[in-house]
Amino acid sequence: DIVMTQSPDSLAVSLGERATINCKSSQSVLYSSNNKNYLAWYQQKPGQPPKLLTYWASIRESEVPDRISGSGSGTDFTLTISSLQAEDVAVYYCQQYYSTPPTFGQGTKVEIK
Amino acid sequence: QVQLVQSGSELKKPGASVKVSCKASGYTFTSYAMNWVRQAPGQGLEWMGWINTNTGNPTYAQGFTGRFVFSLDTSVSTAYLQISSLKAEDTAVYYCAKGITMVRVNWFDPWGQGTLVTVSS
Repeated sequence: DIVMTQSPDSLAVSLGERATINCKSSQSVLYSSNNKNYLAWYQQKPGQPPKLLTYWASIRESEVPDRISGSGSGTDFTLTISSLQAEDVAVYYCQQYYSTPPTFGQGTKVEIK
Repeated sequence: QVQLVQSGSELKKPGASVKVSCKASGYTFTSYAMNWVRQAPGQGLEWMGWINTNTGNPTYAQGFTGRFVFSLDTSVSTAYLQISSLKAEDTAVYYCAKGITMVRVNWFDPWGQGTLVTVSS
């Protein structure tokens, strides 16, 4: 199974400041035949199910604010919240779907400083 | 809009069984895979497997064979997760999550609201 490791486990950021979450896969999730990275990001607020933010590493789901963006390739990926808002307080998960079983990172908790 | 609505919380004794339902609406149920994901208290997300909603063929992840059964009632666009011989360690929130295709596992969108199953004597 591909192991997904996120860092940090938690971070506290001031309102309006940048939050950066990293996700590293134990093997590449870049499929060479189509040059796509098989990686998604989710946001989970307390008491709610996960919500899809991005797929193919950087394609933002509709209605996701453009302050949230995904980047990276191969084994190293980043989710960036460019200007943290109160409603961004949540746990964020990366997920690879390059191979079965799909696997998730352990989550990164984002709080307001 | 596409929506998955799950059944309510369950409190069960060890050794009992539970059946969680996931009713889909807003799309053609038999055109997309349905996945199941477990989240133990305070923990992360663990994929349990998926069911082909066209053929009814289930695929179980390692660790979810034997006591876990995925099933369907396509007449009411509903997927089910049944867990038998419940153990305390089965206490978790169980989510259904719609797949993007039926060909392979991809990302999941949307998710049901989750069903808390508590196993306690």
